[in-house]
Amino acid sequence: AQKITQTQPGMFVQEKEAVTLDCTYDTSDPSYGLFWYKQPSSGEMIFLIYQGSYDQQNATEGRYSLNFQKARKSANLVISASQLGDSAMYFCAMREIYNQGGKLIFGQGTELSVKP
Amino acid sequence: NAGVTQTPKFRVLKTGQSMTLLCAQDMNHEYMYWYRQDPGMGLRLIHYSVGEGTTAKGEVPDGYNVSRLKKQNFLLGLESAAPSQTSVYFCASSPLAGGPNEQYFGPGTRLTVT
Repeated sequence: AQKITQTQPGMFVQEKEAVTLDCTYDTSDPSYGLFWYKQPSSGEMIFLIYQGSYDQQNATEGRYSLNFQKARKSANLVISASQLGDSAMYFCAMREIYNQGGKLIFGQGTELSVKP
Repeated sequence: NAGVTQTPKFRVLKTGQSMTLLCAQDMNHEYMYWYRQDPGMGLRLIHYSVGEGTTAKGEVPDGYNVSRLKKQNFLLGLESAAPSQTSVYFCASSPLAGGPNEQYFGPGTRLTVT
């Protein structure tokens, strides 16, 4: 069964430094997609970045990059130059490409706190 | 363009009462989803729909029913609320089921069952 694991319940980072949020996944499907969402204290879910299992390069979106290591089944989110506004919950999610309905499986989340 | 909206934003129910949560999207998306979020457990899929008139069970469907009579609306019903259904409920929609198509989320509904 597909599963997403985020082993860091909480993380602290100093403003302007980089931080890595861990995500490991388990699937038997050769085709899948990995997503990261941000949930600030206001509660909304904000899409950050996507990585497909066949993508040759790691995905990047501005200050966000995804360190995708397929053999290790990890998809860590790297945030460069942290800002106070990055303080939030971060969720890793996976979708097997051929699952009916495009369902997402979410990890438990990591709460990131950025210190000034 | 409002995206995904949810009604109501907050609700308090007594055990045994019923209610319906409304999700509406104006992006003409085929796929819609209902999730619940509980502390320490991330988001879990309750029910989903792959198109107007269709619904299917997700990971935690017990105690909930859904309907998708119109493409833009996805309703989540609780027939007899229980304290275990105290949670934050998110609706989401997506244009397609695969590829880089992310799910667009509504603002959430905070439900408390006493």
